[in-house]
Amino acid sequence: DAGVTQSPTHLIKTRGQHVTLRCSPISGHKSVSWYQQVLGQGPQFIFQYYEKEERGRGNFPDRFSARQFPNYSSELNVNALLLGDSALYLCASSSRTGGNTEAFFGQGTRLTVV
Amino acid sequence: TQLLEQSPQFLSIQEGENLTVYCNSSSVFSSLQWYRQEPGEGPVLLVTVVTGGEVKKLKRLTFQFGDARKDSSLHITAAQPGDTGLYLCAGVSGNTGKLIFGQGTTLQVKP
Repeated sequence: DAGVTQSPTHLIKTRGQHVTLRCSPISGHKSVSWYQQVLGQGPQFIFQYYEKEERGRGNFPDRFSARQFPNYSSELNVNALLLGDSALYLCASSSRTGGNTEAFFGQGTRLTVV
Repeated sequence: TQLLEQSPQFLSIQEGENLTVYCNSSSVFSSLQWYRQEPGEGPVLLVTVVTGGEVKKLKRLTFQFGDARKDSSLHITAAQPGDTGLYLCAGVSGNTGKLIFGQGTTLQVKP
């Protein structure tokens, strides 16, 4: 069985540009969450989607947006990129929401903003 | 705001030594998870602790959840070079399953 897949794996963008990151969850998983991991830090929660609805949002500016599609895949969009947006963006899928649910992470997308 | 503080941030030890990593918060979590992350990969779940005072063992790794469900520790016995990596604790917040991560502990085990 395929795990969580993210694309692209690496990306270089210029300040001011926008970027779209993609995530395909494990088959049968309906919940997708996005995290940002800056070098040397733990991941920070950005969004959670379940059954195509936003269930949670972290402390990130409106430049960050996301959506979930009927097949439960998800996109994370970031507009007007800043140098500080350079990070590893992780997608996690789980079968449901709620405490104690195991989250499975993809390998991440390494975004570099120059 | 719920925060988790991990200590130490960096640890470099010789093969065969023991070590403990701590994860502390002023907030109560419904459960706490420990992950291990290798370079270029996403975090991989090691264990979930749910009950205050709970102790779980995974081979040479022992995980403990504090009685008040605000803190946790990871103890590794006789560390091996294969244990090298970034260890992350994460509190599970509320009913959404949102994870609040500590800043991580980078462990290097030298042969």
